[in-house]
Amino acid sequence: EAGVAQSPRYKIIEKRQSVAFWCNPISGHATLYWYQQILGQGPKLLIQFQNNGVVDDSQLPKDRFSAERLKGVDSTLKIQPAKLEDSAVYLCASSYLSGQGHGYTFGSGTRLTVV
Amino acid sequence: DQQVKQNSPSLSVQEGRISILNCDYTNSMFDYFLWYKKYPAEGPTFLISISSIKDKNEDGRFTVFLNKSAKHLSLHIVPSQPGDSAVYFCAASRDTGKLIFGQGTTLQVKP
Repeated sequence: EAGVAQSPRYKIIEKRQSVAFWCNPISGHATLYWYQQILGQGPKLLIQFQNNGVVDDSQLPKDRFSAERLKGVDSTLKIQPAKLEDSAVYLCASSYLSGQGHGYTFGSGTRLTVV
Repeated sequence: DQQVKQNSPSLSVQEGRISILNCDYTNSMFDYFLWYKKYPAEGPTFLISISSIKDKNEDGRFTVFLNKSAKHLSLHIVPSQPGDSAVYFCAASRDTGKLIFGQGTTLQVKP
């Protein structure tokens, strides 16, 4: 089974620039998550999709972050404009079902550095 | 508001000995708990989980214990191996699938 694919692996941008991350979940996984992991902290959920609908985006800074999941498969996360505090690893994960008891499969993440 | 806490940033043990990683939570509505392991430059990988209706779950060298009254869970690794050296995250969830992660504990197993 192919894993969760993310690109790019690394990105360095200047503050106020925009950036986009891409995620391709495991085939057949209906639920897709974007997490932000700041150095020294645990991952924090930004947004959860069920198919192409948003389930939870309560912690997504909507003034600068946006995400979409077209056709319920791939997803993109965008930051515009970026701030220094957005430097983090952005992790995409997918699961077959939502709800407790189902461990996610994470991608390797995109490490963003904002200078 | 840190609902899941791992108060030990790091732990060092000798190969063959037991590793015990601890996690505390504050929200009594959590009903499922998971442990993830993370190597550098990789995403977290699922290790083991436990439902709130149980107090112990075992999978090979890994055992998770849950003490609901104390809102505390622990991961035991016996025997520890150098390949277990990684960052370990505990996480908690309710029925939505959203995971709340702790800050992580870096485990170093010395040969």
